[in-house]
Amino acid sequence: EVHLVQSGAEVKKPGESLRISCKGSGYSFTTYWITWVRQMPGKGLEWMGTIDPNDSYIKYSLSFEGHVTISADKSINTAYLQWSTLEASDTAMYYCARRGGTGTPFDYWGQGTLVTVSS
Amino acid sequence: DIQMTQSPSSLSASVGDRVTITCRASQSISTYLNWYQQKPGKAPKLLIYSASSLQSGVPSRFSGSGSGTDFTLTVSSLQPEDFATYYCQQSFITPGTFGQGTKLEIK
Repeated sequence: EVHLVQSGAEVKKPGESLRISCKGSGYSFTTYWITWVRQMPGKGLEWMGTIDPNDSYIKYSLSFEGHVTISADKSINTAYLQWSTLEASDTAMYYCARRGGTGTPFDYWGQGTLVTVSS
Repeated sequence: DIQMTQSPSSLSASVGDRVTITCRASQSISTYLNWYQQKPGKAPKLLIYSASSLQSGVPSRFSGSGSGTDFTLTVSSLQPEDFATYYCQQSFITPGTFGQGTKLEIK
């Protein structure tokens, strides 16, 4: 059975760094892209960026490029989303989701990681 | 980026009603359109992909149609568990933008 399991909730202060994770199981991790999706409190879904774990090719949304870094370690079937300098506006739920190649939907989602940034 | 616009933003309906949600893309996306359902505190769930294909395990009361720029999601007879927020998403090009969501509430 396919699972995407994300790391637990985080509470951080502005200016701190953070890395959250998404571990895939039950499928060939390098066959599917992992995309990160942000959901701010009470708001909709925002596509942040996507990575091909096979070769770590990454595509970012212009809205997020330069503020977050996406990476993956295929040896442990895990994708990451990281910030070097958190801001209060980064407070949100972050989901990872799996998709196949071009044109395919997100068929499996992680449970979400709540990131709270507050002084 | 392709802009996705859903209407209405919210909708009140009763159990047993037939409801339709519309999604419009700012440019043609062929049939690269997906629909998701999200309940409070939960991750989104794929309902419909490629505009009209029902995801495995999803009840047949859900259906999708459209191509090009205009798409619809229809629930033929609302059940209590269907009250949630629905999002369309285009997978034609990256970034795979989402609509703003339609909140379906009990009347």
